[in-house]
Amino acid sequence: DTAVSQTPKYLVTQMGNDKSIKCEQNLGHDTMYWYKQDSKKFLKIMFSYNNKELIINETVPNRFSPKSPDKAHLNLHINSLELGDSAVYFCASSRRGSIAGANVLTFGAGSRLTVL
Amino acid sequence: GQQLNQSPQSMFIQEGEDVSMNCTSSSIFNTWLWYKQDPGEGPVLLIALYKAGELTSNGRLTAQFGITRKDSFLNISASIPSDVGIYFCAGPNDMRFGAGTRLTVKP
Repeated sequence: DTAVSQTPKYLVTQMGNDKSIKCEQNLGHDTMYWYKQDSKKFLKIMFSYNNKELIINETVPNRFSPKSPDKAHLNLHINSLELGDSAVYFCASSRRGSIAGANVLTFGAGSRLTVL
Repeated sequence: GQQLNQSPQSMFIQEGEDVSMNCTSSSIFNTWLWYKQDPGEGPVLLIALYKAGELTSNGRLTAQFGITRKDSFLNISASIPSDVGIYFCAGPNDMRFGAGTRLTVKP
């Protein structure tokens, strides 16, 4: 049973479209995250939710909107897709301060978004 | 936020060679985390370090928490093809990752 699962794994779409990526974790963690990994493989934090509340909101265009219906889910909705949004998006979860005060993350397998 | 500098950016080595990589921070950490990302997968935690000077091993991997608390090192001994991937360092809470070290192992 996958600990952090995200769907879809691959998404190809046209510029200007709106799309969503879903994420679910079954680890009982209280914090969930979205990361963007670009073509150079840099991993950049976008958002973090703790118990359904937004706690990290990095400089991300307003076109990106996370939604957390409950602690086990964090979905990412992207409006008006642009070419530069093409990347792999990773969902992750943690139990806040789980090991010696550190947030140890469990990642999903990633969702590769290609905008044409 | 914290700045993490990871080096080298990439390494191409022969199977059986040892590998060393490091990470430095602009601020003092109380925990260092090392993750590995296999091709096509998400990163997975390899080793966590909790105090300055600590040396921790996980099989052929050894990681050290620098005594200044601003750096950490990861060593891989006798590399094998499945060591291929990207190795990331991370601090305790900032949720930022280093730029990664991309390791290629030639059989």
